[in-house]
Amino acid sequence: KQEVTQIPAALSVPEGENLVLNCSFTDSAIYNLQWFRQDPGKGLTSLLLIQSSQREQTSGRLNASLDKSSGRSTLYIAASQPGDSATYLCAVLSNFGNEKLTFGTGTRLTIIP
Amino acid sequence: EADIYQTPRYLVIGTGKKITLECSQTMGHDKMYWYQQDPGMELHLIHYSYGVNSTEKGDLSSESTVSRIRTEHFPLTLESARPSHTSQYLCASSGRKGLAGGNEQFFGPGTRLTVL
Repeated sequence: KQEVTQIPAALSVPEGENLVLNCSFTDSAIYNLQWFRQDPGKGLTSLLLIQSSQREQTSGRLNASLDKSSGRSTLYIAASQPGDSATYLCAVLSNFGNEKLTFGTGTRLTIIP
Repeated sequence: EADIYQTPRYLVIGTGKKITLECSQTMGHDKMYWYQQDPGMELHLIHYSYGVNSTEKGDLSSESTVSRIRTEHFPLTLESARPSHTSQYLCASSGRKGLAGGNEQFFGPGTRLTVL
C-alpha cells in the first residue's frame, strides 16, 4: 500500500528566502506526482505535475523535482512572498491501474513579512 | 484555470434532511472524484467514477451516494444528514492517462457542510 509523507508538518520562513518542501513515498511504481496548494477552507489548486519519466517541472518561482528510485520529491519555492502562505500537498498516482491519488498530510507554510 | 464547479459553497441544515451537493466540470474529463476533509486533516476519497454509469466507493466509508448520468455532472447525496457528516466536501476531475498532462486532477472550491 502506497504511503506518502511530508516533513515538516509546518514551516515558517522570512519573506524573500528560498525554501524546499519535501515529499516521500514508499512505492516507486508511480505514474505521476502532483503538487497542490490549499488555502484555509478552500479547494486545492494544482501547482505542478511530474510524470514518472520526468526529473523536474518548473512554473514561475516553483520548481518540483522527482527521484522515483529513492521515492522522493521536492518543491522549491524561490524568493518567497507572504502570498505563498498556504498548505502544500503532494500526491502520487500509483501505476497499478486504479488511478486514485494518494495524498500526503501536507506542509503548512507561513511566510513572515 | 480549472473549470470545475461546486454548489452550494456553504450549507447549514438540520439533522434528518436530505441534501445533494452538486459538482460539474466543463473539461470533458471522464474521471471524477469526491473527497471529504475535516479542518486541518487529510483528504479522504469517498467516491469516484471512471465514466458515465460507473461509480465506486473510495477508501473512506461514507453514508453518501453518488450518480454519474452525464459526463460533466457528479452529484453527491445524503439521504438523512447527521452532525457526524459535518465536513468539507471536495470534488475533482481528471482526463485520460497517456494524454499530455493526462491524469492531472483539478479540484473544485469545495462545499462546507454543517449539520446541526
